[in-house]
Amino acid sequence: TQLLEQSPQFLSIQEGENLTVYCNSSSVFSSLQWYRQEPGEGPVLLVTVVTGGEVKKLKRLTFQFGDARKDSSLHITAAQPGDTGLYLCAGGVWQGAQKLVFGQGTRLTINP
Amino acid sequence: DTGVSQDPRHKITKRGQNVTFRCDPISEHNRLYWYRQTLGQGPEFLTYFQNEAQLEKSRLLSDRFSAERPKGSFSTLEIQRTEQGDSAMYLCASSSPGRRWYEQYFGPGTRLTVT
Repeated sequence: TQLLEQSPQFLSIQEGENLTVYCNSSSVFSSLQWYRQEPGEGPVLLVTVVTGGEVKKLKRLTFQFGDARKDSSLHITAAQPGDTGLYLCAGGVWQGAQKLVFGQGTRLTINP
Repeated sequence: DTGVSQDPRHKITKRGQNVTFRCDPISEHNRLYWYRQTLGQGPEFLTYFQNEAQLEKSRLLSDRFSAERPKGSFSTLEIQRTEQGDSAMYLCASSSPGRRWYEQYFGPGTRLTVT
């Protein structure tokens, strides 16, 4: 069974601070997605990384896929209250089924 | 470009009743997925269709659950004899043909409450 562990599960920081969320596994994934989810809504895809060591930037968000494709990180620079939400990492598994395995999420709160 | 839509958004039912949810994927997407999300957890895979063929079912999908995608377009998920443990958000996602199957786009979900 492939599992993804996210840390921290909860993070509350002040506006302007930097933060990093981690997503770790002992399994190799064919891809790694990061989603953001608002209460009562479905997850919204932020980014996909597929190559070991790949780094992608989306404005103040930086996503990295580990060299061995077992882990990933999300770094937010100068966090803003609009960044508040649930961040989910999801690994792509292609063994019979093409499915995503999700971490349990990181609930981020940015205080003004 | 319309996204994935799901209906209803909320459903309250009594234990023992049957419920059916509908998902309309993005129009050109041939892959469709159902996930279930309980409070405080990430979504868990339930089942997957490529066109009209159901190719994989999770062990989470007991025999009370059935999913169909009869014409390779919309899909339905039916739960028979609902139990309180079925209370969750049911999410549908779709992805395009080709190699980037992992870029799955989610609908807003159906929140099921079993009383």
